[in-house]
Amino acid sequence: QKEVEQNSGPLSVPEGAIASLNCTYSDRGSQSFFWYRQYSGKSPELIMFIYSNGDKEDGRFTAQLNKASQYVSLLIRDSQPSDSATYLCAVLTQGGSEKLVFGKGTKLTVNP
Amino acid sequence: EPEVTQTPSHQVTQMGQEVILRCVPISNHLYFYWYRQILGQKVEFLVSFYNNEISEKSEIFDDQFSVERPDGSNFTLKIRSTKLEDSAMYFCASSFDRLSSGNTIYFGEGSWLTVV
Repeated sequence: QKEVEQNSGPLSVPEGAIASLNCTYSDRGSQSFFWYRQYSGKSPELIMFIYSNGDKEDGRFTAQLNKASQYVSLLIRDSQPSDSATYLCAVLTQGGSEKLVFGKGTKLTVNP
Repeated sequence: EPEVTQTPSHQVTQMGQEVILRCVPISNHLYFYWYRQILGQKVEFLVSFYNNEISEKSEIFDDQFSVERPDGSNFTLKIRSTKLEDSAMYFCASSFDRLSSGNTIYFGEGSWLTVV
């Protein structure tokens, strides 16, 4: 069973702070990693994807991947109240599967 | 911006009834998917569909479920005899090409199914 684990939170940070969200995965051969934001009752919205070890930055968001440790993280700089949502980590596993395996998500609250 | 559209947004049905959830994927996309999310739980893969056939399905996608692309635009999920545990948000999604080739999946807004 290929698993993706996230701390369910809630994670609470003050406005302007850095929010750090973490995810581990069990399938060592996983190739692609995605971070989605999900507001309550809404669909997942893609924030970033990362394929290679290291950091990938997009605006206030930075994804970090460490395949040796089977760990992927998302940093949100200058957090805003509108960033308050559940953040889902998703992994595309190896073997040509087109199935995204999601974590349960981390609920983030940014306090004004 | 092109988007995946789903209908209905919410459906209440009696246990044992058949339900059809409809989706219009993004027009030039070739891969279609259904995922579901039980309240408070993970988003779970159900099925992927390409070239008018199922390319992959999960253990959740048993004989009670079927998918169809009845015309050039719609993609449907049918649940033949609904159970209480089928109550969930069902998300349709599409991608231009294979996710394993670096393509992005786009989700619709979801159809909330309540089985009573």
